[in-house]
Amino acid sequence: KNEVEQSPQNLTAQEGEFITINCSYSVGISALHWLQQHPGGGIVSLFMLSSGKKKHGRLIATINIQEKHSSLHITASHPRDSAVYICAASGGGADGLTFGKGTHLIIQP
Amino acid sequence: KAGVTQTPRYLIKTRGQQVTLSCSPISGHRSVSWYQQTPGQGLQFLFEYFSETQRNKGNFPGRFSGRQFSNSRSEMNVSTLELGDSALYLCASSSGTNYEQYFGPGTRLTVT
Repeated sequence: KNEVEQSPQNLTAQEGEFITINCSYSVGISALHWLQQHPGGGIVSLFMLSSGKKKHGRLIATINIQEKHSSLHITASHPRDSAVYICAASGGGADGLTFGKGTHLIIQP
Repeated sequence: KAGVTQTPRYLIKTRGQQVTLSCSPISGHRSVSWYQQTPGQGLQFLFEYFSETQRNKGNFPGRFSGRQFSNSRSEMNVSTLELGDSALYLCASSSGTNYEQYFGPGTRLTVT
């Protein structure tokens, strides 16, 4: 069974700061997903990656397959980035996605 | 392209009743997955359907079931509702397993 751990659970930062959220998993996977959930419940898929690095605007996601670790970075953070960020692993012997508990991010102006 | 839609958005049911939730995927997507989100357990995978066949199933009791129609629309059913079934139920569509998933807005179910 794959275990997906995220850190930190909660993060409060000032506008403009560089943000890093970490995700580790216990067994090999086929892909790692980063999701964003705003209050009210809607979930948006930010990245799906199986190797290397992906960038979209101010968001960067990296994955290290050997270390079973992924990071989500937000550059020049803004209050609108405030949300819960969730990593999820697919494959690794599990059916469907296995989710981390999420990181509750607050960016203060 | 229209996004994933879920109906109803909110639902209140009584213990022992049953409920059916509906999900319409993005046009052209043949895979629909269902998830349950609760404050205590977080997000958990319920099941995945692809071309009308259940392809994967999470660790939930048999009271939770689903189906997919030929137009890829999917329904999930929960019978004999329990208080612990109160949750946000999300569906997501994709082109297939291990492809990027697009989530619907969810159905918030409250069981009293």
